Amino acid sequence: EAGVAQSPRYKIIEKRQSVAFWCNPISGHATLYWYQQILGQGPKLLIQFQNNGVVDDSQLPKDRFSAERLKGVDSTLKIQPAKLEDSAVYLCASSLVDGRAGELFFGEGSRLTVL
Amino acid sequence: AQSVTQLGSHVSVSEGALVLLRCNYSSSVPPYLFWYVQYPNQGLQLLLKYTSAATLVKGINGFEAEFKKSETSFHLTKPSAHMRDAAEYFCAVSDKNQFYFGTGTSLTVIP
Repeated sequence: EAGVAQSPRYKIIEKRQSVAFWCNPISGHATLYWYQQILGQGPKLLIQFQNNGVVDDSQLPKDRFSAERLKGVDSTLKIQPAKLEDSAVYLCASSLVDGRAGELFFGEGSRLTVL
Repeated sequence: AQSVTQLGSHVSVSEGALVLLRCNYSSSVPPYLFWYVQYPNQGLQLLLKYTSAATLVKGINGFEAEFKKSETSFHLTKPSAHMRDAAEYFCAVSDKNQFYFGTGTSLTVIP
């Protein structure tokens, strides 16, 4: 079974530029998450999708971050314009079940460096 | 709101020694609890999870954790550390399909 795919693995940009990350979850997983992991910290939820609907985006900085999951499968996370503090690893995860016991399956992450 | 607290951001043990990583949770409902491991430059991988069945949960790579409701704890242990166990470990609590992660504990194994 293929895992969660993310690209690109690494991205270096200058502040005020834009960047986009792509995620393809495990086939059949209805729930998709984007997490931000700053060095030395635990993952922080940015946005959670159930199929193509948003369940929680309360911690997404909506003035610069946007995310979509148009067909309920793959998803794109965009940052525009980027700030220095956006340097982090962006993790995508998916889950099969709609319930508390659903295990999260993570991709390898996209590491962003903003100069 | 649910939350987890991991005591000790860095833990060092000698190879072959006991590993103990601490996690305390707060939850208004019976929790689902998880331990994840993250190796350098990789995503998080599930070690084990508690879903209100047996209080002692066995996971992969020889790790186990015990759910103690009275102490609101879910500490991770392994009897004998191996060099390959060096990684970052995250405790997480789940509620209504939302997950809340601790700040992580970095485990160093000394040869």
